[in-house]
Amino acid sequence: EAQVTQNPRYLITVTGKKLTVTCSQNMNHEYMSWYRQDPGLGLRQIYYSMNVEVTDKGDVPEGYKVSRKEKRNFPLILESPSPNQTSLYFCASSSNRVPANYGYTFGSGTRLTVV
Amino acid sequence: DAKTTQPNSMESNEEEPVHLPCNHSTISGTDYIHWYRQLPSQGPEYVIHGLTSNVNNRMASLAIAEDRKSSTLILHRATLRDAAVYYCALSGTYKYIFGTGTRLKVLA
Repeated sequence: EAQVTQNPRYLITVTGKKLTVTCSQNMNHEYMSWYRQDPGLGLRQIYYSMNVEVTDKGDVPEGYKVSRKEKRNFPLILESPSPNQTSLYFCASSSNRVPANYGYTFGSGTRLTVV
Repeated sequence: DAKTTQPNSMESNEEEPVHLPCNHSTISGTDYIHWYRQLPSQGPEYVIHGLTSNVNNRMASLAIAEDRKSSTLILHRATLRDAAVYYCALSGTYKYIFGTGTRLKVLA
C-alpha cells in the first residue's frame, strides 16, 4: 500500500532532550515536507526537501533540523525541544520535486508533548 | 507569501450541495489552488486542485473566480462521511501555504 509512515504516533518528552521523528514513504516520491498543526493556526510548513541532500526552510523552521540522505526518508530532529514545540506534526510527500501541480500524500501524524 | 482565508465553520444538510469558500486575494499568477480535507485523527487528504479553470473529479468540483482571488469547493451531495475540516492551500514552486480550515458539519 502506498503510504507515508511516521513514527512514533505519540511522544511525551522533557525540555532539552533531543528527539527524532521519522518519516518514510514507499512511493519513490521526490518531494517531502514537514508541517506542524496547531489550533487556530492550521498547517504551517517547517522544512521541505526537493531531492536527496537538498532541503530548505519553510515558514516556521526555528528549533528544527532535517536531513535527506535517502530518497525515502526525511527525519525531523528537535535538538533541544521546548514546550512551544508541543504540536501535531505531519510529514507529506509529492511525486514531483516541484509539487505545485501535484497533490500531497500525508502521514497519520505525530503528537508531540514537551513538558 | 500569499494567504488564504476561510470561514471557521459551516453546516449543511445531508444530500444537499455544499459550497465551501476560500479567499486568496494576494495569490500570484503561478500559484495553484489546492483543497484538502482532514477527518478526525487522520492526516489531511488531497481533494482537488486547479490553476485557472474549473475542475471536477469524483470527490468534488473546484470553481475558481475569473480574477483568481477566490475559489469554492463544491461537494455535490453531502454525506455524513463528508464531515471534516476542509483546507484551502496555495502552492508556489516549492512551498505550500495552508489556510486555517473550515469545519463542515453535516446534519442528518
